[in-house]
Amino acid sequence: DGGITQSPKYLFRKEGQNVTLSCEQNLNHDAMYWYRQDPGQGLRLIYYSQIVNDFQKGDIAEGYSVSREKKESFPLTVTSAQKNPTAFYLCASSMPGGSGYNEQFFGPGTRLTVL
Amino acid sequence: SQQGEEDPQALSIQEGENATMNCSYKTSINNLQWYRQNSGRGLVHLILIRSNEREKHSGRLRVTLDTSKKSSSLLITASRAADTASYFCATAENTGFQKLVFGTGTRLLVSP
Repeated sequence: DGGITQSPKYLFRKEGQNVTLSCEQNLNHDAMYWYRQDPGQGLRLIYYSQIVNDFQKGDIAEGYSVSREKKESFPLTVTSAQKNPTAFYLCASSMPGGSGYNEQFFGPGTRLTVL
Repeated sequence: SQQGEEDPQALSIQEGENATMNCSYKTSINNLQWYRQNSGRGLVHLILIRSNEREKHSGRLRVTLDTSKKSSSLLITASRAADTASYFCATAENTGFQKLVFGTGTRLLVSP
């Protein structure tokens, strides 16, 4: 089956710890994204990558880091510098279409809670 | 900052009724997309309408786009209890990489 997987589904972190969220896709998509979702606020873009070994900051990149060493993988690290990391994190991917990038395909999400 | 604003924030209807959700945005777009999210799950793409299109249909879904008013609407006809979810509009900017900017969503509850 083609799709996007995220792990773990639930993650608990103590204050001051870094944690890494996994995102893997087998759709052969070039572009990958990380979003944060808080209650009542919709999705906000953290980082995105158009191609392997390249990534750009989104709207709320502070306190987060990413890497894109393989086409199918785009892990997100939530660092201790992120002051309010408790949220639902969603990974997505897409392919460029005739006039730009079309629909995004989403993973099931990781719910991160800081204890 | 988020570009899309959706109205209403929440909508409660009976099965068989139609549900209409509206989305307004602020800048020039390449396309506008609607997504659905069941509680605690990832988003699922529903439909994409390009800036040069005015209306699009997919099954029980009808989407309109008015670029002069910078607004779009999603109509779900003959709603079912299984349509209960949050619905988000997302706009793709007209330049560069065309990142998606999501609205805050409309929570739809369809009662049997």
